[in-house]
Amino acid sequence: DADVTQTPRNRITKTGKRIMLECSQTKGHDRMYWYRQDPGLGLRLIYYSFDVKDINKGEISDGYSVSRQAQAKFSLSLESAIPNQTALYFCATSKQGAGNTGELFFGEGSRLTVL
Amino acid sequence: AQTVTQSQPEMSVQEAETVTLSCTYDTSESDYYLFWYKQPPSRQMILVIRQEAYKQQNATENRFSVNFQKAAKSFSLKISDSQLGDAAMYFCAYRSANNQGGKLIFGQGTELSVKP
Repeated sequence: DADVTQTPRNRITKTGKRIMLECSQTKGHDRMYWYRQDPGLGLRLIYYSFDVKDINKGEISDGYSVSRQAQAKFSLSLESAIPNQTALYFCATSKQGAGNTGELFFGEGSRLTVL
Repeated sequence: AQTVTQSQPEMSVQEAETVTLSCTYDTSESDYYLFWYKQPPSRQMILVIRQEAYKQQNATENRFSVNFQKAAKSFSLKISDSQLGDAAMYFCAYRSANNQGGKLIFGQGTELSVKP
């Protein structure tokens, strides 16, 4: 099983619908992230969380919200989806403190299409 | 703010040949990490290689090596003896060593194709 699991893997929805993308991890990492990937733009940070009580906006947080339900779970919500939120979304984790190698560990991505 | 630039949207290499992917970055910090990630068609993000800025020696992982030029803020990836399985999107990424949440800043990506 994957260490970082995202659901759903693919989703097609309509403009105005509420969508939640879920992420769970078994790596025991404190830090979790949501990124969005668009062609020609690379990956851009939406939100990140140090722990359950510490959530921070990334560079493109408008139109998104997150919830850190537990150390292992970090969900991303689109309250009212719009077509320009069509993208590939990644959840990632990283280790904090001793042994931190700096890298992020990614889920397999959630492809969202908003019609 | 830090930025990462990959100026080659697409690259192509013949199987068994060598190819170099370019990456430049902008930062005022002296301590940081640099990464190359590979994204094959499966879309999984796979770490290829990591470089710590305080280390002068270029990182190497089997057929993958980097040319890290700190003063020039350049971090290129060389793939030797290219294989069909190397075909993928490659992303260069920067991470501050300071306590900024550990977030990575990514370049735009380079799509590498490998010709048999």
